[in-house]
This record gives sequence, structure tokens and C-alpha cells, in this order.
Amino acid sequence: QVQLVQSGGEVKKPGASVKVSCKASGYTFSSYSITWVRQAPGQGLEWMGRISAYDGNTNYAQKFQGRVTMTTDSSTSTAYMELRSLRFDDTAVYYCARVSGYSGYDFAYWGQGALVTVAS
Amino acid sequence: QSALTQPASVSGSPGQSITISCTGTSSDVGSYNLVSWYQQHPGKAPQVMIYEGSKRPSGISNRFSGSKSVNTASLTISGLQAEDEATYYCCSYAGTNTWVFGGGTKVTVL
Repeated sequence: QVQLVQSGGEVKKPGASVKVSCKASGYTFSSYSITWVRQAPGQGLEWMGRISAYDGNTNYAQKFQGRVTMTTDSSTSTAYMELRSLRFDDTAVYYCARVSGYSGYDFAYWGQGALVTVAS
Repeated sequence: QSALTQPASVSGSPGQSITISCTGTSSDVGSYNLVSWYQQHPGKAPQVMIYEGSKRPSGISNRFSGSKSVNTASLTISGLQAEDEATYYCCSYAGTNTWVFGGGTKVTVL
């Protein structure tokens, strides 16, 4: 069965960077892209970007351009999302997700989320 | 890449039907029949309820249905049940491997 297991929560200071991991299992890693979505406390879902696990091609939301980098490691079937120059309003749960096998445009599989807290 | 517009809250009594709207633009909802809907309970990851506008994944109740008209997608929950109380998000493909979510609608079962 498809599983996405994310790294644990982190506390960071403003201006620092955070790197969240997402380890995939139960399918051929290179066959599907990984998408990153975040959710600030009490707020809605926000699409951050996606990375092709096949060729590393990335697409980022305009809001995060220049501040986010998504990568993959095919040897460990793991995707990473690094966010730099953290601000207080980057405090959120960060999810990785994978599209379904029947559509390719919906997010059928989700990680458990990783809480990133930005605090001084 | 502005968020899709959803009502903040919708409520209904058990057994009733409710509809949640999701308004986008001609660049996202209006251009593609690729709207998906997610149910999220507090502290949990979202779960897809509808994909490609009106299709239900295996295991999702047929009480959930989706539709679209021009730039607005809709999710209808019929025969409302207590377990349907959650926050619902729409999401549309917006071209060039980008997606956009709605702000979310909290559904309350009275």
C-alpha cells in the first residue's frame, strides 16, 4: 500500500531554514510526482509546489519562488522540501502528497504532516 | 494564483442536502475539468472525496457528488450525517503543473 512518512516536527528561529522529508513506499517512486501543501494553524490548505520524481522537474507557487527548494533522492525514495528565510507566518503543518494512479490531478495519498514552528 | 473562493461555513440537519460552491477563474476552474474536493477532520490529513469534477474514488459514499458550471464547481452532500461534519476544500489544476486550493468550508451538522 502507498505510504508517505514524513519527518518530525521542528522549531526554528526567524531567518533560519528547515528541511522536511517525505519517505515513500509501496509504489515505484519515480512514477509519480510529489506535491507539498502547507496549512497554518486554523487556516486552509496552500499548494506550495511539486517535483517530478522521474526527472526532478519542479514547479513552485509564485509566493514561494526563491525561498523554497524541492528535491528527491531516488536511492531512498525520499522527497525533501527546504524553506529558507523563515518568518513567523511560516509556522504551519507541511504535508507531502501524491497524485492518484487513476487521475493524476488529485491528491489521493498524504503524509501525516510535519509541524514547523517559527519562534524566537 | 489567488485562492479559490468558498463560503466559510455551511450547515444542515441530518438527512438534508447541502451544497458547497467553489469559484475560480477562467485560468483554473473554468479551463479544466480537474477540480477535486477534500474532507479534513481536525488534526487529520485531507482525504479526497471527488476528483475530476464529479468522479468518486473507490470507497467514497455516493452521497457525495460534484459538478461544475463555467468558473464555479460545487460539492453536494446528500443525506447529511454526523460524520460529515468537517472542513471541505476544493482544489483546481491551474495549468503548467500548478494547483490552487480554496479557502475551505466548515460543514456543521445541526
